[in-house]
Amino acid sequence: NAGVTQTPKFQVLKTGQSMTLQCAQDMNHNSMYWYRQDPGMGLRLIYYSASEGTTDKGEVPNGYNVSRLNKREFSLRLESAAPSQTSVYFCASTPGLWETQYFGPGTRLLVL
Amino acid sequence: AQTVTQSQPEMSVQEAETVTLSCTYDTSESDYYLFWYKQPPSRQMILVIRQEAYKQQNATENRFSVNFQKAAKSFSLKISDSQLGDAAMYFCAYRSGGGKLIFGQGTELSVKP
Repeated sequence: NAGVTQTPKFQVLKTGQSMTLQCAQDMNHNSMYWYRQDPGMGLRLIYYSASEGTTDKGEVPNGYNVSRLNKREFSLRLESAAPSQTSVYFCASTPGLWETQYFGPGTRLLVL
Repeated sequence: AQTVTQSQPEMSVQEAETVTLSCTYDTSESDYYLFWYKQPPSRQMILVIRQEAYKQQNATENRFSVNFQKAAKSFSLKISDSQLGDAAMYFCAYRSGGGKLIFGQGTELSVKP
């Protein structure tokens, strides 16, 4: 049981490049989330998926898209990376909306 | 909109002593959950303790306990018998039925041997 896994662990992009951050969970959880963490700040919600087939915007969705590929996987895509998207990205999952969220190890993204 | 505020950017405690981290929140909802997460240098987010708003009894997990004051919208974390491994960033978080977590800015705790 690996819990929540994220790939890659670290990535460097040039401004304007695109990439997809991958997240998978093996706990049969219904809901999944993407957060970003900037220095001196707590985590902020980018997008979430309450259940398979649904996605909704969070607090800071601009510049991102998501796909809930199936119940296990929830990907985050940057179409045209900007330096302001330099951050640590966390994926999380939970069995239901009232349950505890379990976090992946994070992906550190540097946009030059 | 809900907000979470941690007014102590940094705290320090002597090993084996007790420390309290503060958190206040603002909401108009009656049903919600509150959490404390620990983030060590590895960056992994680890759940420390959670509190359901409808429960009057304060949650306890081993050396960690909370002081939940619903009317005052206060949710502090007390760490007893502090250990070197407790050194980390601690985040207070709020969640309503929509499932979204709202985090405070964090408190960096250092433990002195």
